[in-house]
Amino acid sequence: GDSVTQTEGQVALSEEDFLTIHCNYSASGYPTLFWYVQYPGEGPQLLFRASRDKEKGSSRGFEATYDKGTTSFHLRKASVQESDSAVYYCALSDGSSGSWQLIFGSGTQLTVMP
Amino acid sequence: GALVYQYPRRTICKSGTSMRMECQAVGFQATSVAWYRQSPQKTFELIALSTVNSAIKYEQNFTQEKFPISHPNLSFSSMTVLNAYLEDRGLYLCGARLGINQDTQYFGPGTRLLVL
Repeated sequence: GDSVTQTEGQVALSEEDFLTIHCNYSASGYPTLFWYVQYPGEGPQLLFRASRDKEKGSSRGFEATYDKGTTSFHLRKASVQESDSAVYYCALSDGSSGSWQLIFGSGTQLTVMP
Repeated sequence: GALVYQYPRRTICKSGTSMRMECQAVGFQATSVAWYRQSPQKTFELIALSTVNSAIKYEQNFTQEKFPISHPNLSFSSMTVLNAYLEDRGLYLCGARLGINQDTQYFGPGTRLLVL
């Protein structure tokens, strides 16, 4: 079945550091890819999505580019802030499989220190 | 923007009792709703997919007898956890889609279920 892999379980950075969270996916069809952010006590919030190869999604300084060749959708931010501390989830939705459920990665806990 | 509310935010129930949770879409029509459970380890399990005027599709480890869902209109869905036990604890999330051809889900804040 379809799957999403996030290699970093936890990332600790200082303010203004560069962020990369790796996301690779496996899907039988042509999925739409998402990044969600979850703050303590809240549900996941959509950061952005991309639905075709080479499309770049971006929001709040975060960005990721859909790469069908490497099956990746890595999250990057040039300069993180303490308020970016949260759990980040990469996810996919593959409508070609007949189901529109979201398949989530295991999540990456980002901690940004002042 | 799309807003999804869930009620209650947090609930505690005794083992073997039941509790009902609600999901309300505001500002858009939620033609489809997905219910997930997020475990204490933060992994997501899909419980069921519900589309208005269509049969609700439950995932393998979840049944209608245990998690009955109602989706009577385009702005409201509810789910009950019947006969709750310790393994049912977690954060129950409602994800709503704006339309059948939309692939983006917007989530509510979740209902946290604690079972004593």
